[in-house]
Amino acid sequence: NAGVTQTPKFRVLKTGQSMTLLCAQDMNHEYMYWYRQDPGMGLRLIHYSVGEGTTAKGEVPDGYNVSRLKKQNFLLGLESAAPSQTSVYFCASSQRLAGVPGELFFGEGSRLTVL
Amino acid sequence: SQQGEEDPQALSIQEGENATMNCSYKTSINNLQWYRQNSGRGLVHLILIRSNEREKHSGRLRVTLDTSKKSSSLLITASRAADTASYFCAIRDSSYKLIFGSGTRLLVRP
Repeated sequence: NAGVTQTPKFRVLKTGQSMTLLCAQDMNHEYMYWYRQDPGMGLRLIHYSVGEGTTAKGEVPDGYNVSRLKKQNFLLGLESAAPSQTSVYFCASSQRLAGVPGELFFGEGSRLTVL
Repeated sequence: SQQGEEDPQALSIQEGENATMNCSYKTSINNLQWYRQNSGRGLVHLILIRSNEREKHSGRLRVTLDTSKKSSSLLITASRAADTASYFCAIRDSSYKLIFGSGTRLLVRP
């Protein structure tokens, strides 16, 4: 039982390049989330999903796209990377408790640098 | 935004002392959660307190919630060096989103 796994853990991009971060969870959780964390700051919600085939915007969705084609996977895409997207990205998942998300289980993060 | 705001931003205490961190928010909530983050790692869930609860305990952790003041506090008793980490509150309103505050950095000196 690996929990929440993020790949890659580190990546360096040039401005304008594209890439996809993969999040996989093996806990059969309904809800999945992508956050970004900048130095010395809290987490900001980018996009989230309440179930397979569904996605929704969070606090800072611009410049990112997501897909949840399979329940266990949640992909975060950057179509044209910008230096402002340099950050640590965290994926999290949560099971449904009484119809609402419970506690979040986090991956170890993906550190992205855009030059 | 209903983002939680933690106070203080940083806290330095001696091992064995108690540490108190506070979280204030702006809107009605469904629940409030506290998480811990060790340097360079993912966040780990500590406690969830629902809007109809006033206090919860878990080991050396005690969380209180005052919905009239829109605030919560996290108390860590008898702190240890291993408690050194950043602590975040997170707010869930009526949606499926969980919004985090900016955190309190706790340093426990041996």
